[in-house]
Amino acid sequence: QVQLQVSGPGLVKPSETLSLTCTVSGFSISSGYYWGWIRQPPGKGLEWIGSLYHSGTTYYNPSLKSRVTISVDTSKNQFSLKLSSVTAADTALYYCARVRDSSAAFDIWGQGTMVTVSS
Amino acid sequence: QSVLTQTPSASGTPGQRVTISCSGSSSNIGSNTVNWYQQLPGTAPKLLIYTNNQRPSGVPDRFSGSKSGTSASLAISGLRSEDEADYYCAAWDDSLNGHVVFGGGTKLTVL
Repeated sequence: QVQLQVSGPGLVKPSETLSLTCTVSGFSISSGYYWGWIRQPPGKGLEWIGSLYHSGTTYYNPSLKSRVTISVDTSKNQFSLKLSSVTAADTALYYCARVRDSSAAFDIWGQGTMVTVSS
Repeated sequence: QSVLTQTPSASGTPGQRVTISCSGSSSNIGSNTVNWYQQLPGTAPKLLIYTNNQRPSGVPDRFSGSKSGTSASLAISGLRSEDEADYYCAAWDDSLNGHVVFGGGTKLTVL
């Protein structure tokens, strides 16, 4: 059974870099699939942040592209998100998920972690 | 402002059939498949429909999806109280080197 677990600080100061890690269990990232990050501000809808393939190919949300880096560590079976120069607008529940196939459907989701940007 | 447009709310009574719509453009729904997610209160979203009309294993056949042109719909028949949730459509968008776009979500209330 494939499971995803997000970890990282729940509080980040404005202008600093938000860093989260998604650990995958029950499946080897290097075996394939795209993997992605999605966020949800409190009381609002879903926003795609970006996705990557195990080889390192990445796609980013155009509105966040200048601040986002998604990377993979196949040795740890993890992929990570870094979002720089954060503001209060980046306060959200952050999810990691597996992309099912070329449909870009996220079929397995982690539980999500709340990140608050505040001094 | 979401790239895909959904009506913010919908409602129905138990047993009823409800439809949730999602409107996009030629660069997303018009040229790519649509996926639907169900988000129950306090939980992570769950894939409900992929590739326009396919149900993942375990999703009841009360849920169905369709697509026509630049619009898509999610239909729920035999509405049940446990269907009360937020529903989101999503699709790949070919513009700007490609990216995933979501609808703003529809909150379904079972009266």
